[in-house]
Amino acid sequence: SQQGEEDPQALSIQEGENATMNCSYKTSINNLQWYRQNSGRGLVHLILIRSNEREKHSGRLRVTLDTSKKSSSLLITASRAADTASYFCGGSGYSTLTFGKGTMLLVSP
Amino acid sequence: DTAVSQTPKYLVTQMGNDKSIKCEQNLGHDTMYWYKQDSKKFLKIMFSYNNKELIINETVPNRFSPKSPDKAHLNLHINSLELGDSAVYFCASSQAGARTYEQYFGPGTRLTVT
Repeated sequence: SQQGEEDPQALSIQEGENATMNCSYKTSINNLQWYRQNSGRGLVHLILIRSNEREKHSGRLRVTLDTSKKSSSLLITASRAADTASYFCGGSGYSTLTFGKGTMLLVSP
Repeated sequence: DTAVSQTPKYLVTQMGNDKSIKCEQNLGHDTMYWYKQDSKKFLKIMFSYNNKELIINETVPNRFSPKSPDKAHLNLHINSLELGDSAVYFCASSQAGARTYEQYFGPGTRLTVT
């Protein structure tokens, strides 16, 4: 079963705006990871948040985790055209990640 | 230096054929994975190997057989290819299980079965 399910499926914004993507998962996790996938490429790791953490920052990225609601959010501040990509969340169980279908983000100049 | 590499990048073949996809990582990682990404972008784990031993085998047809000759390589062999096997296959590796560490992905192999 899918462990990560992203929402919205697609998001279109202007450069400079903030982008927020949400992720829900079904079972208990050890950590939750966010990845970016540019068109035609493999996934690139962005940030990992552990189950005992509530918020984490990395540059223009801010991730929150609410284990009671089994949800996470990824905020990209001051977006750039180069942020255009699909974003996936993956919930980590014992030994592997399970991903959703991703949120496709389009940032227009 | 490429961290996780896959060959070939594109593979077009006919139904019924047998094909292999190769994966190599130069990160010194212990764990390697194969994922399948379908046309709807859903990314699904297929196999996971740790120190050359299979630790995860999701519900994948037994036409798919991973082989790990050493820690740095995890190849995927597919027998009797079917139309539904058309997808992008990603190899990945991590320092240990995904429980703690991020995964590094290869560029993907786009398989088209005609």
